[in-house]
Amino acid sequence: IQMTQSPSTLSASVGDRVTITCRASQNIYSWLAWYQQRPGRAPKLLIYQASTLESGVPSRFSGSGSGTEFTLTISTLQPDDFATYYCQQHNSSPWAFGQGTRVDIK
Amino acid sequence: EVQLVESGGGVVRPGGSLKLSCTASGFTFENFGMTWVRQFPGKGLEWVSGINWNGVGESYADSVKGRFTISRDNASKSVYLQMDSLRAEDTALYYCARVRSGYYRAEYAQHWGQGTLVIVS
Repeated sequence: IQMTQSPSTLSASVGDRVTITCRASQNIYSWLAWYQQRPGRAPKLLIYQASTLESGVPSRFSGSGSGTEFTLTISTLQPDDFATYYCQQHNSSPWAFGQGTRVDIK
Repeated sequence: EVQLVESGGGVVRPGGSLKLSCTASGFTFENFGMTWVRQFPGKGLEWVSGINWNGVGESYADSVKGRFTISRDNASKSVYLQMDSLRAEDTALYYCARVRSGYYRAEYAQHWGQGTLVIVS
């Protein structure tokens, strides 16, 4: 299974609504996770099963989609949210990650 | 608090070997599947290998199959990655990660260590 994210880079301002797309090369039902990685840090789980928010993750993050097309939305971008975001299919092994979407300051 | 601490990274020549360790604390280690994920310099993430709670059912990415071996010791709360026949393209930051259940295959990484750097040169 191949995962493709778009865009690769996104420039936005604090307060913006941001949407990142992830496409799977085959049906993965709702088995999709999203991670956030800040520079110099390990990835952090945000969402699993396409739309379930991990404990402690702010509610401005949301996920949707099923089958082969998924989105991660940040409703109101905060300074801490400038980071790189990865999707990962958790339908089967081997795991596959998207190539990442970097969200930087406009 | 869940903690995962990797060690064993370093500089090694092509064709050489290295063994990574990941020691866990803050949870009942024997109940959870574990994985290794690597990140190439300035690049994205690649899943490397996974192992179930009971030490069986392991699998590997095609890029490391036949060269890397994952294992675990539940008594010492550790998971290992033996890396043989290393290549320049194995240079990466290697993360240890815990999944949500005892089986890693259809799972995601709920907790991550800080990584250990492997340089093959």
